[in-house]
Amino acid sequence: EVQLVESGGGLVQPGGSLRLSCAASGFTVSSNYMIWVRQAPGKGLECVSFIYSGGSTYYADSVKGRFTISRDNSKNTLYLQMNSLRAEDTAMYYCAREFLGKRAFDIWGQGTMVSVSS
Amino acid sequence: QSALTQPASVSGSPGQSITISCTGTSSDVGGYNYVSWYQQHPGKAPKLMIYDVGNRPSGVSNRFSASKSGNTASLTISGLQTEDEADYYCSSYTSSSTLDVLFGGGTKLTVL
Repeated sequence: EVQLVESGGGLVQPGGSLRLSCAASGFTVSSNYMIWVRQAPGKGLECVSFIYSGGSTYYADSVKGRFTISRDNSKNTLYLQMNSLRAEDTAMYYCAREFLGKRAFDIWGQGTMVSVSS
Repeated sequence: QSALTQPASVSGSPGQSITISCTGTSSDVGGYNYVSWYQQHPGKAPKLMIYDVGNRPSGVSNRFSASKSGNTASLTISGLQTEDEADYYCSSYTSSSTLDVLFGGGTKLTVL
């Protein structure tokens, strides 16, 4: 079965760090454009970061310099390292796979919640 | 970059049709055919409903259709069913940013 399973979310104090994981099955993460999308409580979807199959990475201005997207090919897993967390980073974080180079996303994880609060 | 513009809410009765608009610019919706639509039920992940402006992935009901005119894309749901009640988001490739995907602000569909 083709699926993504996220983990690693939780409650963290402002300035703290978390690493989110997104384990894939049924397809190869490194062969796909993969994205992290977040959704603050009651709000819409926001692109956070993506990584091309070739390894190039890009970030939203709001997280640039604080978040790092990466992947472990041996574990077929995507990661999002989040440092210097702020209250405004509080959101459900989803990973997703791009569909056929269309900048559309057909496989989504179930999401992992990140709460930044003192 | 600014999000694509969607109405905050739309409503319809079972069996009726509704249309949700998604307005962008010539750097995104108007300039490329990489417009997609997602359905999101409460507490669930988004589900891809439409890609490439008007194409449905396998398994998506043909009650869902979409199109584009200029800088505005539209999603139409015909024969509304209660299970269609959800949030809907449009998305587009954008050439105006290195983070080249934009989402709309979302539209809450209520089936009365």
